[in-house]
Amino acid sequence: KNEVEQSPQNLTAQEGEFITINCSYSVGISALHWLQQHPGGGIVSLFMLSSGKKKHGRLIATINIQEKHSSLHITASHPRDSAVYICAVHSGGGADGLTFGKGTHLIIQP
Amino acid sequence: NAGVTQTPKFQVLKTGQSMTLQCAQDMNHEYMSWYRQDPGMGLRLIHYSVGAGITDQGEVPNGYNVSRSTTEDFPLRLLSAAPSQTSVYFCASARTFNYGYTFGSGTRLTVV
Repeated sequence: KNEVEQSPQNLTAQEGEFITINCSYSVGISALHWLQQHPGGGIVSLFMLSSGKKKHGRLIATINIQEKHSSLHITASHPRDSAVYICAVHSGGGADGLTFGKGTHLIIQP
Repeated sequence: NAGVTQTPKFQVLKTGQSMTLQCAQDMNHEYMSWYRQDPGMGLRLIHYSVGAGITDQGEVPNGYNVSRSTTEDFPLRLLSAAPSQTSVYFCASARTFNYGYTFGSGTRLTVV
């Protein structure tokens, strides 16, 4: 079973700061997902990536397959970015779903 | 386009009662899955399906049943509710298991 570790567990920052959330995993994967869970509870998929880098608006996700590590960056952070960010990995070729990290609770203060 | 619809949003059950959590998607996704989310833990897979008529167990299947008679629907049945099943349940679907996932809004279940 893949072990997925996220850091930090909690992060409080000021509006405008550059945010980095890290995810590391123990076993080779076929894909990695970054998810966002707002205080209301709904989960939204932000990125799915298997190599390199993806960008969407102020969000950037990178992955280093050799180092088994991914980062999620938020530029020019805003209070509406406050949420729990969850890393999840798909191991091997099976269909038995994702293994999730415990999440990073991000608070952006105005 | 509704995406993934979960019902109910909230439910309180007594120990021993049974119920069905509904999940429906209108995106013609082949892959559907159920997860539970507990405090201090990551989401954990309960059951999944790669297509109509095909289901399989995930990490924590005990106490739950599923069926997939149509592409659109993937209900989760609690056979005899226990307090340990108090949790928030999420349904998710994807074109196939290695594509991006769409999540439902969740069902908060309390078993007393």
